[in-house]
Amino acid sequence: DAEITQSPRHKITETGRQVTLACHQTWNHNNMFWYRQDLGHGLRLIHYSYGVQDTNKGEVSDGYSVSRSNTEDLPLTLESAASSQTSVYFCASSGQGANSPLHFGNGTRLTVT
Amino acid sequence: AQSVTQLDSQVPVFEEAPVELRCNYSSSVSVYLFWYVQYPNQGLQLLLKYLSGSTLVKGINGFEAEFNKSQTSFHLRKPSVHISDTAEYFCAVSDRGAQKLVFGQGTRLTINP
Repeated sequence: DAEITQSPRHKITETGRQVTLACHQTWNHNNMFWYRQDLGHGLRLIHYSYGVQDTNKGEVSDGYSVSRSNTEDLPLTLESAASSQTSVYFCASSGQGANSPLHFGNGTRLTVT
Repeated sequence: AQSVTQLDSQVPVFEEAPVELRCNYSSSVSVYLFWYVQYPNQGLQLLLKYLSGSTLVKGINGFEAEFNKSQTSFHLRKPSVHISDTAEYFCAVSDRGAQKLVFGQGTRLTINP
């Protein structure tokens, strides 16, 4: 069965370190998204991609970057981790058109100390 | 830009009672509307969606939602809840033609026996 997997599930890092969260999907979807989930804020869009070599900033992109070198992967990099980036991060993918729902990974819980 | 407001952060109800989770979105010419459910330690799953047509939309697990354009609302309802419905519920909206969703803050539904 097709799926979307995130790794690691949990990560603890120190302020100032670079961190990369992995997202891999086998749906063959063109669209991929990164959200962060925080109490009281719901899910907020960080970056998204509509295809290989395409990346776009979302609502809360400062301090984050993504790259899309193939269809399956959209890694999220925190250039210099800050305590404000402690959160749960979700990757999602979807096919073309509004009829195609978002498929979510199970999330990565990141703690920045 | 689109925004979504979920009017209740927490809703406690007794098992087998009816429930309504409220959602309002900012006005736009035309939108797509979604409800997602998140069980503990999991990603989000699609409950139902409104794209066009009938304003009453039925989803999985006995949930339904009604699109009200004049009130810019998309409230989620279930006539009789079960313990297994305990979860967090997110309302989301996208502009037609856009493929990225804006999520509300979430409503935690707690079912008491």
